[in-house]
Amino acid sequence: EVVLTQSPGTLSLSPGERATLSCRASQSVSTSYLAWYQQKPGQAPRLLIYAASSRATGIPDRFSGSGSGTDFTLTISRLEPEDFAVYYCQQYTSSPSFGGGTKVEIK
Amino acid sequence: EVQLVESGGGLVQPGGSLRLSCAASGFTVSNNYMSWVRQAPGKGLEWVSLIYNDGTTYYADSVKGRFTISRDNSKNTLFLQMNSLRREDTAVYYCARDGDTYFGMDVWGQGTTVTVSS
Repeated sequence: EVVLTQSPGTLSLSPGERATLSCRASQSVSTSYLAWYQQKPGQAPRLLIYAASSRATGIPDRFSGSGSGTDFTLTISRLEPEDFAVYYCQQYTSSPSFGGGTKVEIK
Repeated sequence: EVQLVESGGGLVQPGGSLRLSCAASGFTVSNNYMSWVRQAPGKGLEWVSLIYNDGTTYYADSVKGRFTISRDNSKNTLFLQMNSLRREDTAVYYCARDGDTYFGMDVWGQGTTVTVSS
């Protein structure tokens, strides 16, 4: 079973700042099998990134994904007010699993 | 419009059963990988079960032997049969579709709430 560890647990930033979120896997994950999601309170998650670095349809280019092997990163270049939310990484190697999430909150 | 609508949630006693449904529109359920994902109150996302387009199924260890994923192609609907329910199964249950050509859940339902309590 692949365990995904996200850090930090909470990120306190101001609008306009850059956010860097980490997702570390307990064993190597193919880039094809790594996705990122955004979830706001009371809403279903929304797919942001698939295949580690490809933006899903309609996702602004301030969101970018990178990484390989066991270390992956989601970067939000300039935070907009609507970006404050919880972010999850997910992998599909063997049995699918999600990371524990990173909350991006307004400082 | 591509859409998923879950139903079937509710209050059930420990040891009881419940069947969740997920009606799809705008696409064909049997053509995509389909998953159930749950979220306990105040907690993160937990993958529960997956059915491939060829019918192969997978389960999280926490539900293996108790939950069964299936689909009815004629109704274009996904199901999750949940038996021997435990308090720790209390959660919002989402159904989700993987992309046509990639791994990533690009369409989600609104969720249905399951509460296991006496």
